[in-house]
Amino acid sequence: QKEVEQDPGPLSVPEGAIVSLNCTYSNSAFQYFMWYRQYSRKGPELLMYTYSSGNKEDGRFTAQVDKSSKYISLFIRDSQPSDSATYLCAIQGGGFKTIFGAGTRLFVKA
Amino acid sequence: NAGVTQTPKFQVLKTGQSMTLQCAQDMNHEYMSWYRQDPGMGLRLIHYSVGAGITDQGEVPNGYNVSRSTTEDFPLRLLSAAPSQTSVYFCASTPSGGPYEQYFGPGTRLTVT
Repeated sequence: QKEVEQDPGPLSVPEGAIVSLNCTYSNSAFQYFMWYRQYSRKGPELLMYTYSSGNKEDGRFTAQVDKSSKYISLFIRDSQPSDSATYLCAIQGGGFKTIFGAGTRLFVKA
Repeated sequence: NAGVTQTPKFQVLKTGQSMTLQCAQDMNHEYMSWYRQDPGMGLRLIHYSVGAGITDQGEVPNGYNVSRSTTEDFPLRLLSAAPSQTSVYFCASTPSGGPYEQYFGPGTRLTVT
């Protein structure tokens, strides 16, 4: 079993839709839960992160962690064509080594 | 600041050839890493360094060597290229202290024929 599972998609939505991206993980010791965004032919960039459980909001983006279910989510409100990218979840167990999900490709159609 | 730079952007090798992928950062970050990204596999850690002179293996180290003589540079050497090493390679630097955000370079697309 992989330590982090993420549906690769692709996920295609109309502009303005609410997008839900999800990952599951297997090790309850993980502490930092991150989302990276990767545009085509570019390196990933950190979008946002949460520590332990709970929600974190940044503009149109909300990251959510449910440690009891080992489930992390990223919600994008009012999605825009510029949000079209691959979104990678990533988790850390307290050290700097990071485990990445496979990434979900998102297409937002104008 | 240039951030993390990688050269070359593209490379085609024949099986058995060797080469070095260059990576440099100007943010004075302690930690540096090399990943490969393959379709459906996500980013997999090849080697990493927690400071000048200190390196360690990641998840997929076979066929690769690294060294870290300075804080700024972290080259990745392919010893004898194989078609299985066809991939996109990303270098990343990370400041010390959680949450250990990784700053990625633009990547090197490598094809081994």
